[in-house]
Amino acid sequence: ILNVEQSPQSLHVQEGDSTNFTCSFPSSNFYALHWYRWETAKSPEALFVMTLNGDEKKKGRISATLNTKEGYSYLYIKGSQPEDSATYLCAFITSGTYKYIFGTGTRLKVLA
Amino acid sequence: DGGITQSPKYLFRKEGQNVTLSCEQNLNHDAMYWYRQDPGQGLRLIYYSQIVNDFQKGDIAEGYSVSREKKESFPLTVTSAQKNPTAFYLCASSIEGTGYTGELFFGEGSRLTVL
Repeated sequence: ILNVEQSPQSLHVQEGDSTNFTCSFPSSNFYALHWYRWETAKSPEALFVMTLNGDEKKKGRISATLNTKEGYSYLYIKGSQPEDSATYLCAFITSGTYKYIFGTGTRLKVLA
Repeated sequence: DGGITQSPKYLFRKEGQNVTLSCEQNLNHDAMYWYRQDPGQGLRLIYYSQIVNDFQKGDIAEGYSVSREKKESFPLTVTSAQKNPTAFYLCASSIEGTGYTGELFFGEGSRLTVL
């Protein structure tokens, strides 16, 4: 059974703090990794699609890195703002089946 | 605006009743998906469809049925055979199906409660 784990499950940070989360996935049969942001009462929205080992992506204050050989991806938020409060999901796509396997998410609360 | 519309947002059902959740997209996407979310678990795939008139079972298809008669519509029926139907249901779509690495586009979800 393929498992995708995210840590921490939840965290609270102060406005202006920088923070990071981890997504761990199987290091074999890698095809792609996605990060999504899911705000309460809204639909999940894609942040990054990562396909190559060593990929680094950036969107404003949010960035992500990918290590497919060891099976992890980090999501970084620099200078957290209250509007960053959301659940951050990662999804691992396997080669062969091409199914998306989701982690349980990291719930971030940024305190003003 | 292009997107995915799910309805209803909230639904209550008595035990033994079938219920259908609607999912409509105007993104002209080929592939559509149904996921289920339970507390403490990642999204789990119920059914997916890569093209009109074709669909495949996901990891937890038992007690569910779908149809894909039109490209823009992928309704999910939760039947009385589903043993634990109370959950949050998300519909998604993507430009293409198998082999595509691009992002999923999601609806806002439907919460089903069985009384």
